[in-house]
Amino acid sequence: GNSVTQMEGPVTLSEEAFLTINCTYTATGYPSLFWYVQYPGEGLQLLLKATKADDKGSNKGFEATYRKETTSFHLEKGSVQVSDSAVYFCALRNQGGKLIFGQGTELSVKP
Amino acid sequence: NAGVTQTPKFRILKIGQSMTLQCAQDMNHNYMYWYRQDPGMGLKLIYYSVGAGITDKGEVPNGYNVSRSTTEDFPLRLELAAPSQTSVYFCASKQYEEKLFFGSGTQLSVL
Repeated sequence: GNSVTQMEGPVTLSEEAFLTINCTYTATGYPSLFWYVQYPGEGLQLLLKATKADDKGSNKGFEATYRKETTSFHLEKGSVQVSDSAVYFCALRNQGGKLIFGQGTELSVKP
Repeated sequence: NAGVTQTPKFRILKIGQSMTLQCAQDMNHNYMYWYRQDPGMGLKLIYYSVGAGITDKGEVPNGYNVSRSTTEDFPLRLELAAPSQTSVYFCASKQYEEKLFFGSGTQLSVL
């Protein structure tokens, strides 16, 4: 079946540190891949997406590349800010159109 | 433009009570979803709808019911609340392949 696995949190970083949050997936066919972000007390918001192999999604300094050979979609940012503190969810959309989410990774950025 | 509106934001129920979680969107989206978010477990799809009058079960539908009499509204009904239904509930909507818009969530405790 389809599934998404993310690295365990919480991840605690100092401001301006480099961020990587790992995400791997299992899917039949060619899913679209997404990163959603959930700020405290709010619903999820789409951060970035990639719809085919080797595509790179980017937004607000975050990037993720769709790697079919390693079935991965790792999220990266070169220099995190305190305002990036949130929970990050990796997700895939299968051929039936449903979104399947990973368990979420909490990021805490300290000044 | 309000987006997706959920009410209430918080609720405490006793075992066996019933309640309805309200969800409304003003974007004329055809697709609407109910998810539950348990700590460390990501989001699980409860029910979804592809248009007015059409609903279908997701991964975890037991103990819940939905209806979709209009495009705007997609209420979620709990008939006999159980402690296992303690969770944060999110409603979401989208139009075809576009991104998913989430409400801010309802935190439900069943004691």
